[in-house]
Amino acid sequence: KAGVTQTPRYLIKTRGQQVTLSCSPISGHRSVSWYQQTPGQGLQFLFEYFSETQRNKGNFPGRFSGRQFSNSRSEMNVSTLELGDSALYLCASSDGVGPLHEQYFGPGTRLTVT
Amino acid sequence: SQELEQSPQSLIVQEGKNLTINCTSSKTLYGLYWYKQKYGEGLIFLMMLQKGGEEKSHEKITAKLDEKKQQSSLHITASQPSHAGIYLCGADRGSTLGRLYFGRGTQLTVWP
Repeated sequence: KAGVTQTPRYLIKTRGQQVTLSCSPISGHRSVSWYQQTPGQGLQFLFEYFSETQRNKGNFPGRFSGRQFSNSRSEMNVSTLELGDSALYLCASSDGVGPLHEQYFGPGTRLTVT
Repeated sequence: SQELEQSPQSLIVQEGKNLTINCTSSKTLYGLYWYKQKYGEGLIFLMMLQKGGEEKSHEKITAKLDEKKQQSSLHITASQPSHAGIYLCGADRGSTLGRLYFGRGTQLTVWP
């Protein structure tokens, strides 16, 4: 079974631009979560989607948004990029929600904002 | 403040040595995950513990969740260079709909 895939793997953007990242979960998984990883803050939760509904959101500004499609693929969008948005963005998929359901991560998208 | 405290922050061991990494939470853990990460890459799932006293093993890696479900330890036996990387623990609080809280990680170096 294929793992979680994320595209693109690397991205360089300029301040003020916007970016869209994509995540394809493991087949059959309906929950997708997004995390931002930086050296200073570590792994921070962005949001979680289950069956196309956002069920949980972390403490990030409204510039960060996401959505999930009927095939469970998910996208996250960051508008008006800032230098501090440079990070590794990771998505994780699970076949459900809660501690009984293991979460598997993708390889990440490395975003660099210049 | 960090939801989870990992110790040590970094570890350098000689190949063949055993080692232990700890993850401590101030709150009850409903699920505790261990992941391994190579620098700049995604997280590789190692194992998940749910029940107090539960212990799981995969190859030479063993993880245990204590009875009070507030601390977990990851033990590597006879370490190898392939074990090198960053080990992260993640906690499921049980009511946060899929959100995991992560520790800052333990950087493991294994020298031959």
